[in-house]
Amino acid sequence: GENVEQHPSTLSVQEGDSAVIKCTYSDSASNYFPWYKQELGKRPQLIIDIRSNVGEKKDQRIAVTLNKTAKHFSLHITETQPEDSAVYFCAASTDSGYALNFGKGTSLLVTP
Amino acid sequence: DADVTQTPRNRITKTGKRIMLECSQTKGHDRMYWYRQDPGLGLRLIYYSFDVKDINKGEISDGYSVSRQAQAKFSLSLESAIPNQTALYFCATSDSGILGRGGYEQYFGPGTRLTVT
Repeated sequence: GENVEQHPSTLSVQEGDSAVIKCTYSDSASNYFPWYKQELGKRPQLIIDIRSNVGEKKDQRIAVTLNKTAKHFSLHITETQPEDSAVYFCAASTDSGYALNFGKGTSLLVTP
Repeated sequence: DADVTQTPRNRITKTGKRIMLECSQTKGHDRMYWYRQDPGLGLRLIYYSFDVKDINKGEISDGYSVSRQAQAKFSLSLESAIPNQTALYFCATSDSGILGRGGYEQYFGPGTRLTVT
């Protein structure tokens, strides 16, 4: 089955810096790649997603890039703010499944 | 997101007891999922259901069972709880959508923190 690996497991940046989280996947049939943010004590919530027919997608300060050949995708957060501190999860799924396979998460800390 | 609710929110139980966690949704979604979250292990899929008559095992189904009582309700049972089932459990839902046109976003419930002593 699909295996999603996520790095790094923890990331600390200063406010205003950029943060990058990377994920790799194993199933070449995967074609949907969402990113979820989970604040402390809360439920995961979708922040951005990308499909395999698109190489990059942006939404204000966040962007996701996808390299299908290398089977990896990344989350980029620019101009980080303390409220960006959370655990971020990448995931992958195929059309046939719709069930998401999650990475193990990255704990991002943005210090003022 | 009040559209997906879970009961109970917290539960402490003893080894060997049967436990049921319940999930209800008012989003009208066909698909429902159960995950468990453990520190450092992310979200792991236990079971998922694409409609009332379709239930599938996920990555870690051993020791768990589910029931899809209606489109809006999906329950997770631990027949005989053991301490390593102590975790945070999330229910999620998603629309079936139209291929290539969305419908994949999963909406999570608030979670149930289960402790097995």
